[in-house]
Amino acid sequence: NAGVTQTPKFQVLKTGQSMTLQCAQDMNHEYMSWYRQDPGMGLRLIHYSVGAGITDQGEVPNGYNVSRSTTEDFPLRLLSAAPSQTSVYFCASREGVPMSSYNSPLHFGNGTRLTVT
Amino acid sequence: KNQVEQSPQSLIILEGKNCTLQCNYTVSPFSNLRWYKQDTGRGPVSLTIMTFSENTKSNGRYTATLDADTKQSSLHITASQLSDSASYICVVSGSKKLTFGTGTRLTIIP
Repeated sequence: NAGVTQTPKFQVLKTGQSMTLQCAQDMNHEYMSWYRQDPGMGLRLIHYSVGAGITDQGEVPNGYNVSRSTTEDFPLRLLSAAPSQTSVYFCASREGVPMSSYNSPLHFGNGTRLTVT
Repeated sequence: KNQVEQSPQSLIILEGKNCTLQCNYTVSPFSNLRWYKQDTGRGPVSLTIMTFSENTKSNGRYTATLDADTKQSSLHITASQLSDSASYICVVSGSKKLTFGTGTRLTIIP
């Protein structure tokens, strides 16, 4: 099993450009989520989804959009990139959906390192 | 405010030595606490989970403890290996939310 696959691994954008970070999982997990990881801070939740067609905001959603048309894919869109969005982005999935799944581990992809200049 | 604090921020030890990483939390209500290992350039991977009723749990050379009264957890690594060099992240689950610590960066030197 590939697990959670993220593309691209690295990306450089200019301020104002848009792009989509791709995330796919092959574990048939209903729950998928996007996090950003910044130096000196814990992982912060951007958006999450508990199934196809259902998405919700996390802790830091501004400037990002998501959609969930299939169980497997959960892309993250940056609408107009800003330097403050320079970060490492992780997609993660989990078996089950909240509240039933809090004993299940998150399965993370290997991240996309994004630099906005 | 729910918080998870980890110490030390970074640690360097010689290969073969033992070490202990700490995690203190103020998350309430508490559901469980999980330790993740994050290798450089990779996503975090779960090492172990501690629930309210568990005091100690081992996973190979890793032993996690939980004191739910003092809201403290530790991760003890025995006979460290070069492959243990990574960041270790403590994550506490409670009230429909995960709270992440900032991690301890562990470096093992030969």
